[in-house]
Amino acid sequence: DVKVTQSSRYLVKRTGEKVFLECVQDMDHENMFWYRQDPGLGLRLIYFSYDVKMKEKGDIPEGYSVSREKKERFSLILESASTNQTSMYLCASLLSTGGRVETQYFGPGTRLLVL
Amino acid sequence: SQQGEEDPQALSIQEGENATMNCSYKTSINNLQWYRQNSGRGLVHLILIRSNEREKHSGRLRVTLDTSKKSSSLLITASRAADTASYFCATDGGIQGAQKLVFGQGTRLTINP
Repeated sequence: DVKVTQSSRYLVKRTGEKVFLECVQDMDHENMFWYRQDPGLGLRLIYFSYDVKMKEKGDIPEGYSVSREKKERFSLILESASTNQTSMYLCASLLSTGGRVETQYFGPGTRLLVL
Repeated sequence: SQQGEEDPQALSIQEGENATMNCSYKTSINNLQWYRQNSGRGLVHLILIRSNEREKHSGRLRVTLDTSKKSSSLLITASRAADTASYFCATDGGIQGAQKLVFGQGTRLTINP
């Protein structure tokens, strides 16, 4: 089975801190994603990566950056955390087949509180 | 951007009843997927239906797809308390090679014992 792990389930940070959220997948998937999930807004795509060192902006990239130095690891970085970045953060990975989108596998999520 | 929209936003039924959730989307698709999310957890893939399919079954799940109406439904038969969760549809936008999914806002299903 595919396993996607996230470094923390719960995280509390202060405004202005630099925050790193780590995601690791064990199935050699090319594509990885970071979403945030907020009540009433559903899942919104922050960034995704389709290969090592490659990244693409999603729908809400402002205030975030990402790093993909190894295929199995995709990091989300909040350069200077703000209270409006309090949210549930979900990582996912995807094995693309023939250019068609297939199933995404999600990690358990990181609930981030910025004080 | 394209977005799937689930209907209803919340659904509460008795254990043993069937639950039906609907999803509408705006543009053409290659496939549509349904995911489940238990409270405070990540999403789990349930079923994928391709644009050339009209109906698909998996255990107690039945998914239909009507591309002419740009809609899909998820039916859970003989519901159980463990089915309590949020359910999301996701579409791929129909762009060949695109890797993104666009998720709806979800239907929150509560199964009462």
